[in-house]
Amino acid sequence: DGGITQSPKYLFRKEGQNVTLSCEQNLNHDAMYWYRQDPGQGLRLIYYSQIVNDFQKGDIAEGYSVSREKKESFPLTVTSAQKNPTAFYLCASSLLANTGELFFGEGSRLTVL
Amino acid sequence: QQQVKQSPQSLIVQKGGISIINCAYENTAFDYFPWYQQFPGKGPALLIAIRPDVSEKKEGRFTISFNKSAKQFSLHIMDSQPGDSATYFCAASTSGGSNYKLTFGKGTLLTVNP
Repeated sequence: DGGITQSPKYLFRKEGQNVTLSCEQNLNHDAMYWYRQDPGQGLRLIYYSQIVNDFQKGDIAEGYSVSREKKESFPLTVTSAQKNPTAFYLCASSLLANTGELFFGEGSRLTVL
Repeated sequence: QQQVKQSPQSLIVQKGGISIINCAYENTAFDYFPWYQQFPGKGPALLIAIRPDVSEKKEGRFTISFNKSAKQFSLHIMDSQPGDSATYFCAASTSGGSNYKLTFGKGTLLTVNP
């Protein structure tokens, strides 16, 4: 079955540690995205990538980093510079960046203790 | 600056009733308006979308009504069912529907009582 796989589903980390969230898709989509979801705040775009080896900052990129070395993979690193990292993180993909439906993974819930 | 305002934050409807969620936007350049549905512990999924050249789009029990002059659009769920209980997000974007330009509303938690 085609889809987007995010791992881990739940993650606990101590303050000051970097963490990397995995996102893999087998939909052969060109574009991939990372969103952050906080209660009552909707979805906010962190980073997006339209093609391999290229990515762009979204609305709330500070304290985050990404890479896109393969079409199928778009990992997100939450660095110690992110002031409030506890959140639900959603990865998504679409066939193209400029049109069409976003397909979301099931999310990763990060809790920083 | 919140570009897409969604209301209400939460909504409780009886089974068989009509659920109505409203969104208002400010940017007149928006030209693509999707609605996403999210069940607890899952990622959102596209439910229905509309472009401003039509005033209404219907898919099964779900209808989007669009009022360009008022800069408002709404989701109507007819004959609401307990299985419709979820969080609903409206969104808007420019440039023909660019996903990286999508602005989401803050969401509406819908509960349909049996």
